[in-house]
Amino acid sequence: GAVVSQHPSRVICKSGTSVKIECRSLDFQATTMFWYRQFPKQSLMLMATSNEGSKATYEQGVEKDKFLINHASLTLSTLTVTSAHPEDSSFYICSASWGGNQPQHFGDGTRLSIL
Amino acid sequence: GNSVTQMEGPVTLSEEAFLTINCTYTATGYPSLFWYVQYPGEGLQLLLKATKADDKGSNKGFEATYRKETTSFHLEKGSVQVSDSAVYFCALIFRLRGYQKVTFGIGTKLQVIP
Repeated sequence: GAVVSQHPSRVICKSGTSVKIECRSLDFQATTMFWYRQFPKQSLMLMATSNEGSKATYEQGVEKDKFLINHASLTLSTLTVTSAHPEDSSFYICSASWGGNQPQHFGDGTRLSIL
Repeated sequence: GNSVTQMEGPVTLSEEAFLTINCTYTATGYPSLFWYVQYPGEGLQLLLKATKADDKGSNKGFEATYRKETTSFHLEKGSVQVSDSAVYFCALIFRLRGYQKVTFGIGTKLQVIP
């Protein structure tokens, strides 16, 4: 089946640090990748949708300058949390799809903890 | 707009009990419907899918039928196991102006006790 790799799985860093999370589709070309944030015991909150070769589309309330998304190729998207603060601590999950009404395939998530 | 309504949990069942998790949706056009499962501390895994009305998705003993007349996609399993304990998300995927969009339900936590 389709495999999506997300790295790192866990990050602990000091306030003010920028953190980059990678999302790779290993065995298929993902025309669209999605970034989600999940708070404890809650559903997924879509942050942004990124299409290869074009700018990401951010959901309302998500700061573009805070959460930088780059979708440089059909197999790689990155999310950079710039100047992270404790309130950015969360579980971030990416997913990838080859478009249309095809399913999204999820990475294992990144647990970000800002001290 | 499109939306997914999923029953709130938690749902607690004894091993070998019958499971139903309700999911209903509102949508324009012809969306595809999915169930995802999330085990503690992990990302989401695709459990099953249905791409058109009357399709039945099935996997690992779980089933769900895409019912357009009742706008539902209820998840069922005849005999649950402790290892099925997880959070289950119903999702709707559709195309909007050429791009894929997704709407998730709130997730239903299932706890199976021996």
